[in-house]
Amino acid sequence: SQTIHQWPATLVQPVGSPLSLECTVEGTSNPNLYWYRQAAGRGLQLLFYSVGIGQISSEVPQNLSASRPQDRQFILSSKKLLLSDSGFYLCAWSDRGSPSDTQYFGPGTRLTVL
Amino acid sequence: QKEVEQDPGPLSVPEGAIVSLNCTYSNSAFQYFMWYRQYSRKGPELLMYTYSSGNKEDGRFTAQVDKSSKYISLFIRDSQPSDSATYLCAMSGISGSARQLTFGSGTQLTVLP
Repeated sequence: SQTIHQWPATLVQPVGSPLSLECTVEGTSNPNLYWYRQAAGRGLQLLFYSVGIGQISSEVPQNLSASRPQDRQFILSSKKLLLSDSGFYLCAWSDRGSPSDTQYFGPGTRLTVL
Repeated sequence: QKEVEQDPGPLSVPEGAIVSLNCTYSNSAFQYFMWYRQYSRKGPELLMYTYSSGNKEDGRFTAQVDKSSKYISLFIRDSQPSDSATYLCAMSGISGSARQLTFGSGTQLTVLP
């Protein structure tokens, strides 16, 4: 069965510090991978998606970036965090062969920028 | 107008009640419809998945799609306190890219014991 991991679970960072969040998927090959942000009481905002190694599409201009160094690894980064970067970050995967793009989510990382 | 509209609630019901959660959408190209359940401080988990119009039942949960009205529903029978969560609807069209899942903003449900 497929499993998706995210770490860390919780992170408190000062403004201006760098960020690296990691997501890995097990039990599947060639997944589509996604990064979302969910602000408190708000819906899901798609940040990045990837259909393959080194292939990243950005949905929202911001100071965040994403990379996919391996097939089942997806990393979200920032060089300098802003207060507005606080939120709940979710990684998700979908089966590239699925016609529905049904996505399966990880446990999330709660980021607080002070 | 948003592509998917979902009443944010909050919705509060007594234990044992029948709950109806709904979403409307505007894009007639949507073919696949999903419901996710998200507990507080957790990632969303897939609850139900349906294709095109019709009903699908899984235990106490029934998903209903009416494409002619562009309206989908999730019914929860005999609701339990453990059903207290935010419910997100999601939908997609014919696969052509990796980004076609469109989410509603979620409905917060509380089932009171």
